Amino acid sequence: NAGVTQTPKFQVLKTGQSMTLQCAQDMNHEYMSWYRQDPGMGLRLIHYSVGAGITDQGEVPNGYNVSRSTTEDFPLRLLSAAPSQTSVYFCASSSTGAPTEAFFGQGTRLTVV
Amino acid sequence: AQSVTQLGSHVSVSEGALVLLRCNYSSSVPPYLFWYVQYPNQGLQLLLKYTTGATLVKGINGFEAEFKKSETSFHLTKPSAHMSDAAEYFCAVRPNQGGKLIFGQGTELSVKP
Repeated sequence: NAGVTQTPKFQVLKTGQSMTLQCAQDMNHEYMSWYRQDPGMGLRLIHYSVGAGITDQGEVPNGYNVSRSTTEDFPLRLLSAAPSQTSVYFCASSSTGAPTEAFFGQGTRLTVV
Repeated sequence: AQSVTQLGSHVSVSEGALVLLRCNYSSSVPPYLFWYVQYPNQGLQLLLKYTTGATLVKGINGFEAEFKKSETSFHLTKPSAHMSDAAEYFCAVRPNQGGKLIFGQGTELSVKP
């Protein structure tokens, strides 16, 4: 089982550039989310989705955009990269039914210079 | 709003000693509670979870946690630390309804030989 797959694993961007972080899951999970991880701050929720066509903002949504056209994919777009967006990004998925745990991808380490 | 507080950003123990990582949550109703572990440069892996029923929950790698409603706590313990336990540990809470997973700030565990 592939689980949750994130690409790329590493990325360096220049300030002002845009890019899309990819996330795909093969577990037919309804719920998907994006987090960023920064030292001493744990994981903070950026955006989440409870199903295809439905997305909502999390704790730190500014500068990011998402869409959910299929159950499997939940890409995260950086519209105009800023140094403050240097972070490690994690995608997660889970079922919305029973209180199951979230399954995480391996992360994308993004540096904005 | 739900929140999670992990006491101590760094904990250091000797090999063979007791591991105790503290987690307190704020919630008007008992939530679902999770502990995740993150090894260097990897994603998050579920250690254990509390949903309903028995308040003492056993997880992988010899870890366990006890849900104490009166103290709003979900502390993680392991009787005897091993060098391989060195990692960052995250406590997380999910409300009864909805899929948002809220994380604590994380605790980095070091194990000394």
